[in-house]
Amino acid sequence: KQEVTQIPAALSVPEGENLVLNCSFTDSAIYNLQWFRQDPGKGLTSLLLIQSSQREQTSGRLNASLDKSSGRSTLYIAASQPGDSATYLCAVGPGGSATNKLIFGTGTLLAVQP
Amino acid sequence: ETGVTQSPTHLIKTRGQQVTLRCSSQSGHNTVSWYQQALGQGPQFIFQYYREEENGRGNFPPRFSGLQFPNYSSELNVNALELDDSALYLCASSTGTDTQYFGPGTRLTVL
Repeated sequence: KQEVTQIPAALSVPEGENLVLNCSFTDSAIYNLQWFRQDPGKGLTSLLLIQSSQREQTSGRLNASLDKSSGRSTLYIAASQPGDSATYLCAVGPGGSATNKLIFGTGTLLAVQP
Repeated sequence: ETGVTQSPTHLIKTRGQQVTLRCSSQSGHNTVSWYQQALGQGPQFIFQYYREEENGRGNFPPRFSGLQFPNYSSELNVNALELDDSALYLCASSTGTDTQYFGPGTRLTVL
């Protein structure tokens, strides 16, 4: 059974810092991995999608990497801003499944202090 | 291009009642997935619909049921509500195994 873990559960940094959020998964047979942002009480905003054949994806100040063999992904945020404060969730799409379901971690709550 | 929309935004029900939540998928998307997110947790997969057929189900009891319509919009129905059903219900639309786009969610409170 696939399990997804995110560390740390919460993180507080001063504005301008570069930071890394971690995601690990137990079964390396994944189809893809997706990073989301969630503001309090709101839906999810897709940030980056990495297919299983890819090693990383970049969008603006965000860079996500994927290492299937070790069951890890990282989300790197450069030059953090107060507007980056939110919960960040990673989710894996399991391989060998006809269903495009996502298995989520419990998230990292990020606070960027001005 | 309109995004994923959900209705209602908030809902309060009492134990034992039934509820229907609605989701309109993004234009061109034929797959809708439903997730339940309890407070402080990640979303949990309930089920998925592809072209009006259920295409996979998570670990939820049969009192959670759904429908997808010819225009690919979808409903989630929950019968015999329990206190633990209180959560944010999210739907996501996609085309096949591509990126899933989530709606804003429906906050259900069961008293």
